[in-house]
Amino acid sequence: DSGVTQTPKHLITATGQRVTLRCSPRSGDLSVYWYQQSLDQGLQFLIQYYNGEERAKGNILERFSAQQFPDLHSELNLSSLELGDSALYFCASSVDGAGVMPDTQYFGPGTRLTVL
Amino acid sequence: AQSVAQPEDQVNVAEGNPLTVKCTYSVSGNPYLFWYVQYPNRGLQFLLKYITGDNLVKGSYGFEAEFNKSQTSFHLKKPSALVSDSALYFCAVRFMAAGNKLTFGGGTRVLVKP
Repeated sequence: DSGVTQTPKHLITATGQRVTLRCSPRSGDLSVYWYQQSLDQGLQFLIQYYNGEERAKGNILERFSAQQFPDLHSELNLSSLELGDSALYFCASSVDGAGVMPDTQYFGPGTRLTVL
Repeated sequence: AQSVAQPEDQVNVAEGNPLTVKCTYSVSGNPYLFWYVQYPNRGLQFLLKYITGDNLVKGSYGFEAEFNKSQTSFHLKKPSALVSDSALYFCAVRFMAAGNKLTFGGGTRVLVKP
């Protein structure tokens, strides 16, 4: 158990809908990262937050957004869902993530999103 | 362009035999290198990382990896594989110029046969 929690474990929804994925980082970790794992794209970095502020952006679609709250938990919002958004979404956290220390990212169990 | 590659989609090995999972990277500068393992229906578990120093890094569950700068490789090894090592293994690189995001290889499925 990495100490990173994600809810829900599974999510089934229809095209065009909007969903919210939630992540709680390990105690003491200030950075949260979101990754998408799909069969065709592999594991891809989406976005990083550090202590409430966006730190880095990857291949995140405009239909997707995220935020990190004062208690450091994070939410990933996916809207206007398409079939191709079906994937496993991972959250990871690390102590720093400010780009100075090469700290380790610890991953949550993921949320499996199925868009029908 | 900076990238990381795992040239083998799958590695098959008999239980008790040595296991090697290959990883190569392409980058200008010094990378930070990581190995993660993913069991079915589970998240990624951290195995080990190379930051600096000794080229041989020891990690969890008896795994180790050797950083080779001249060959730009970071192969994962285990002297004696177990059936329970069967899983999907990912090599990841953090490039200094890319903040703290990890760039993952495509993954290598390891199948250890009894």
